[in-house]
Amino acid sequence: AQTVTQSQPEMSVQEAETVTLSCTYDTSESDYYLFWYKQPPSRQMILVIRQEAYKQQNATENRFSVNFQKAAKSFSLKISDSQLGDAAMYFCAAGAGSYQLTFGKGTKLSVIP
Amino acid sequence: GAGVSQSPSNKVTEKGKDVELRCDPISGHTALYWYRQRLGQGLEFLIYFQGNSAPDKSGLPSDRFSAERTGESVSTLTIQRTQQEDSAVYLCASSWDLAVLSYEQYFGPGTRLTVT
Repeated sequence: AQTVTQSQPEMSVQEAETVTLSCTYDTSESDYYLFWYKQPPSRQMILVIRQEAYKQQNATENRFSVNFQKAAKSFSLKISDSQLGDAAMYFCAAGAGSYQLTFGKGTKLSVIP
Repeated sequence: GAGVSQSPSNKVTEKGKDVELRCDPISGHTALYWYRQRLGQGLEFLIYFQGNSAPDKSGLPSDRFSAERTGESVSTLTIQRTQQEDSAVYLCASSWDLAVLSYEQYFGPGTRLTVT
């Protein structure tokens, strides 16, 4: 079983600036994946980025990148050049085994024009 | 192509009534998942299907909850004798196959259930 903790209920960032969302996790599995999902007001969860635990290189997807610190069990999301459309709830999730994702409670990101 | 769809979008029901929530996965996706999201919380895993089989029902909150799936298509989540604590958004997701490590889960927009 996994646990996922997001310690920042809310964050805000100025448009075009950079923001980092924090996530820590715990798992007894040696092979696992970590995910960041975005949930806009439409409620539809959208996969932002995923990291395979066995890969040391941090994943990047355009303006989104992660800082994966395996020993510290930390998986933060960095959003560069923030845009108004980035405003949403962001959920960190962990998956191991075949099917189950465990989600954190989320961070609400506001983008200030 | 069409994504995952869920109906109804919103449902208000009286305490004690039964409700049925529907999920239409992406065509060809063999795996289907149900999650519950309470206000201000993350997603809570409920149940998954591989084809029309649900091998593990331990995530369902109580015996008032049940789910079924027809083949590799529509799934319904039924809540009997609804209680106020059942109020939440119920999200459905599907993927090509079960392995979460390999296959992205595509989510629907959810059904917001309000029990009065």
